[in-house]
Amino acid sequence: NAGVTQTPKFQVLKTGQSMTLQCAQDMNHEYMSWYRQDPGMGLRLIHYSVGAGITDQGEVPNGYNVSRSTTEDFPLRLLSAAPSQTSVYFCASSYGQGADEKLFFGSGTQLSVL
Amino acid sequence: DAKTTQPPSMDCAEGRAANLPCNHSTISGNEYVYWYRQIHSQGPQYIIHGLKNNETNEMASLIITEDRKSSTLILPHATLRDTAVYYCIVRVFGGSQGNLIFGKGTKLSVKP
Repeated sequence: NAGVTQTPKFQVLKTGQSMTLQCAQDMNHEYMSWYRQDPGMGLRLIHYSVGAGITDQGEVPNGYNVSRSTTEDFPLRLLSAAPSQTSVYFCASSYGQGADEKLFFGSGTQLSVL
Repeated sequence: DAKTTQPPSMDCAEGRAANLPCNHSTISGNEYVYWYRQIHSQGPQYIIHGLKNNETNEMASLIITEDRKSSTLILPHATLRDTAVYYCIVRVFGGSQGNLIFGKGTKLSVKP
């Protein structure tokens, strides 16, 4: 199993550009989420999904969109990139509610907005 | 979910046990204690979780006080590869996975 795969690993954008960060998992997990991590900070939740067709906002959702058309994929869209969105982005997934409730994280996407 | 308090940093000698404390004085009866760690700039990694009994797995042990207001993560024989930021999180079991809130954690430095 590949686990949680994020692409790209690095990206540089100009202010105002849009792009999509990809996240895919092959563990048939119901739950998926996106976090951002800024220097010296913990992870902050952007958006999450409890299953295909269902998404909800986290702590810092402004400027980002998500959709969950399949169980496997949970892309994060930056609508109009801003320098404040320069960060490292992590995607995570987990089983549903149960004894194995633990998050599996991808290796991250480092995004710079100039 | 209840908040946690962790020291910002700790040192540990290689081969010794690393004991990482966490205070969660406002924890509710149905909230679990979770530990994750983040090595350098990698994605966080699950370590262990528990409700009120002590837990042990291949990575670590979790000791929860009887009143559940604090806990300690123990790495029995720390290695240089255990140098990481360790996050203590409390949350309701079975709640939305998207609502796992990470604080700033404890930066553990394992020294030769």
